Amino acid sequence: EVQLVESGGGLVKPGGSLKLSCAASGFTFSNAWMSWVRQAPGKGLEWVGRFKSKTDGGTTDYAAPVKGRFTISRDDSKNTLYLQMNSLKTEDTAVYYCITDLGGHLDSWGQGTLVTVSS
Amino acid sequence: DIQMTQSPSSLSASVGDRVTITCQASQDISNYLNWYQQKPGKAPKLLIYDASNLETGVPSRFSGSGSGTDFIFTISSLQPEDIATYYCQQYDNLPYTFGQGTKLEI
Repeated sequence: EVQLVESGGGLVKPGGSLKLSCAASGFTFSNAWMSWVRQAPGKGLEWVGRFKSKTDGGTTDYAAPVKGRFTISRDDSKNTLYLQMNSLKTEDTAVYYCITDLGGHLDSWGQGTLVTVSS
Repeated sequence: DIQMTQSPSSLSASVGDRVTITCQASQDISNYLNWYQQKPGKAPKLLIYDASNLETGVPSRFSGSGSGTDFIFTISSLQPEDIATYYCQQYDNLPYTFGQGTKLEI
């Protein structure tokens, strides 16, 4: 069974940084594309970015609102995906989900971790 | 970015009703369209991929159709456990984009 467990969320001041982790199990993580999607309180879904598997190039793509501030990385030896978030803004407040990305099909979702950016 | 427009934004229906949600893309996305269900306090769940293919384990009362710019999601006979918000999502072009959601109430 696929399991994705996010951690690292919390309260951070505007301009601050936070690093989220996503521990994966139940599938071959190294072969998987992975995406992050966020959901602001009471709002809809917004794709943040993705990391392709190394066999498919190991490249990253980001949504415009986070490009240059957020960095997605992965450690295939630890079956873990990361989201480093810098220069955080109040509008980054959201639940962040880690997801297996089957080339656009956002297949398995973690439970999410809440990031609150507030002074 | 490709804009996805869902309608209605909310919908009230009765158990047993046939429910239809539409999703329109701002440009041709072929069949690169998925539908998700999100129950309150939970993560979204993929129900339908490639516009019309039912994800494994999803009840057959759920269905999807369409291609190009216009798509339809249908629940043939609404059940109480279908209370949720439903989202469409395109993956023809990056960034992946979602519709604004349709909140379904009974």
